[in-house]
Amino acid sequence: DTAVSQTPKYLVTQMGNDKSIKCEQNLGHDTMYWYKQDSKKFLKIMFSYNNKELIINETVPNRFSPKSPDKAHLNLHINSLELGDSAVYFCASSQDTLTGELFFGEGSRLTVL
Amino acid sequence: DQQVKQNSPSLSVQEGRISILNCDYTNSMFDYFLWYKKYPAEGPTFLISISSIKDKNEDGRFTVFLNKSAKHLSLHIVPSQPGDSAVYFCAARFAGNNRKLIWGLGTSLAVNP
Repeated sequence: DTAVSQTPKYLVTQMGNDKSIKCEQNLGHDTMYWYKQDSKKFLKIMFSYNNKELIINETVPNRFSPKSPDKAHLNLHINSLELGDSAVYFCASSQDTLTGELFFGEGSRLTVL
Repeated sequence: DQQVKQNSPSLSVQEGRISILNCDYTNSMFDYFLWYKKYPAEGPTFLISISSIKDKNEDGRFTVFLNKSAKHLSLHIVPSQPGDSAVYFCAARFAGNNRKLIWGLGTSLAVNP
């Protein structure tokens, strides 16, 4: 069983559409994250939830809305998609351990045409 | 402004030799440093970490060295194996409540048989 799973793995869509990426973790972790890796390979945190509460909200357009129905799920909804949203989006989870080690999903490659 | 820098985008090493990956940081508020390894089409996986109060941590073939005065850390892999070929990310964690990770851009390591 995959520890952190994201769907879909690939998503191709038109500008202006609304899309969602789902993430689930079966590790029993308290904290989940969304990261964006852009074309320059720069990994940047977008959001972090701890026990369904938002704890990190970086400077991200409000077209991006995370939703955490329970601590095992963190979904990312994106409205009015733009070309610049094309990237790989990684979901991750962690327990509140000393090292803060993250467990990542395989990534969801979003292409906006 | 990048607070965590990996100045070498790529590194090529012969199998059996030592691989040294470098990372520099600018912020004294980091309390933990982590190395992640990433294969194509997969999410990053945790490799090894070091607390800011230590100067060395070793795990099998992997050793991380921290030089706080120089704000520099390095990952040594010895002996290098072809399966080590991947992108290696350095990440630094802020001390405090949200423990946000700041990532370098990665170094692509190729270990040649």
